[in-house]
Amino acid sequence: DAGVTQSPTHLIKTRGQHVTLRCSPISGHKSVSWYQQVLGQGPQFIFQYYEKEERGRGNFPDRFSARQFPNYSSELNVNALLLGDSALYLCASSLGLLTNEKLFFGSGTQLSVL
Amino acid sequence: SQQGEEDPQALSIQEGENATMNCSYKTSINNLQWYRQNSGRGLVHLILIRSNEREKHSGRLRVTLDTSKKSSSLLITASRAADTASYFCATDENAGNMLTFGGGTRLMVKP
Repeated sequence: DAGVTQSPTHLIKTRGQHVTLRCSPISGHKSVSWYQQVLGQGPQFIFQYYEKEERGRGNFPDRFSARQFPNYSSELNVNALLLGDSALYLCASSLGLLTNEKLFFGSGTQLSVL
Repeated sequence: SQQGEEDPQALSIQEGENATMNCSYKTSINNLQWYRQNSGRGLVHLILIRSNEREKHSGRLRVTLDTSKKSSSLLITASRAADTASYFCATDENAGNMLTFGGGTRLMVKP
């Protein structure tokens, strides 16, 4: 079975532009989460979706939005990009929302904002 | 904000030696997990310890949890060059499996 897949792997944008990142979870997983990882730091939670509904949101501005589709894939959108949005964006999937469930991560999308 | 602080931030050892890294967190938890990340790419789950457990083993990994001190440690025994990676602890501060990660320990194992 394929793991979590993310696209694109790398992306270069300029300030003020918007970006859409995509994620396909492991087959059978209904939960998708997004994390931002700035160089040298640990991942920070952005969103969690389950059965197409937002179940959690981290401390990120409204420029960040996401959605989950009927096939459980997900998109993360960031508007009005800032230099500080440059980071590795990680998608993770899990079967559900239980606290004892581990997350399966994709390889990430490296976003550079110039 | 990040829940945990990891110590040390960087660790360099020789192959065959043991590596110990520590994690502290701030709020009560149900579970604590450890993840590994190679070269800034995706994270891989290593081990989960529940709040009512004090120690757990998985192969060359040993994890301890002290809820009174809000701290955990990860021990990698007989390290190998392939263990070179960043290691992160993560807690369920936000409920469910919306994880809060620490800042990580960057481990280098020299052959």
